[in-house]
Amino acid sequence: DAKTTQPTSMDCAEGRAANLPCNHSTISGNEYVYWYRQIHSQGPQYIIHGLKNNETNEMASLIITEDRKSSTLILPHATLRDTAVYYCIVRDTGANNLFFGTGTRLTVIP
Amino acid sequence: DAGVIQSPRHEVTEMGQEVTLRCKPISGHDYLFWYRQTMMRGLELLIYFNNNVPIDDSGMPEDRFSAKMPNASFSTLKIQPSEPRDSAVYFCASSLSVRANVLTFGAGSRLTVL
Repeated sequence: DAKTTQPTSMDCAEGRAANLPCNHSTISGNEYVYWYRQIHSQGPQYIIHGLKNNETNEMASLIITEDRKSSTLILPHATLRDTAVYYCIVRDTGANNLFFGTGTRLTVIP
Repeated sequence: DAGVIQSPRHEVTEMGQEVTLRCKPISGHDYLFWYRQTMMRGLELLIYFNNNVPIDDSGMPEDRFSAKMPNASFSTLKIQPSEPRDSAVYFCASSLSVRANVLTFGAGSRLTVL
């Protein structure tokens, strides 16, 4: 499986866009990029996933570079409730054991 | 749907006792996963089922751990005998096969073994 690299922590001002990067330079052609987050004392929560096209849903946008070696999760208007650990995971849809790693701890500052 | 339901939410027990954690997946989901989370090791996949059949139990730490899924709406994770190093938060998650990696997690069961 492709390994991902994320910054350990990031801060973002409330109301501003939060841009969380992820490097996955060894991603293979059939592997998707998944993003989850875990708010303190809760179970992880699915955010979004994509293969090569940019994706947007009610929670976030996912921008994947053309060579697919990196991606960025964008929370357009961060709120205090977005403070969480964000996990970037690369996985083949045919495999079902997600490896969560250590993620990025995002702190939204008032 | 009420989501993935886990019980108990908190369990405190003494070393050597049997612990049973329970999970009710989302109705219609055909994958069920058990994860464990500790500060030292993060989130680890213990075992997962597809259509009630265990598919991969390579993450189960040792024979003291066992998991069953007797039907589509219920699963248990049992630890017998429990040890202090088993203290962790145990999460159950479920998903649909058409989006198998889109997991919905329960709130978790926090286990403390004294």
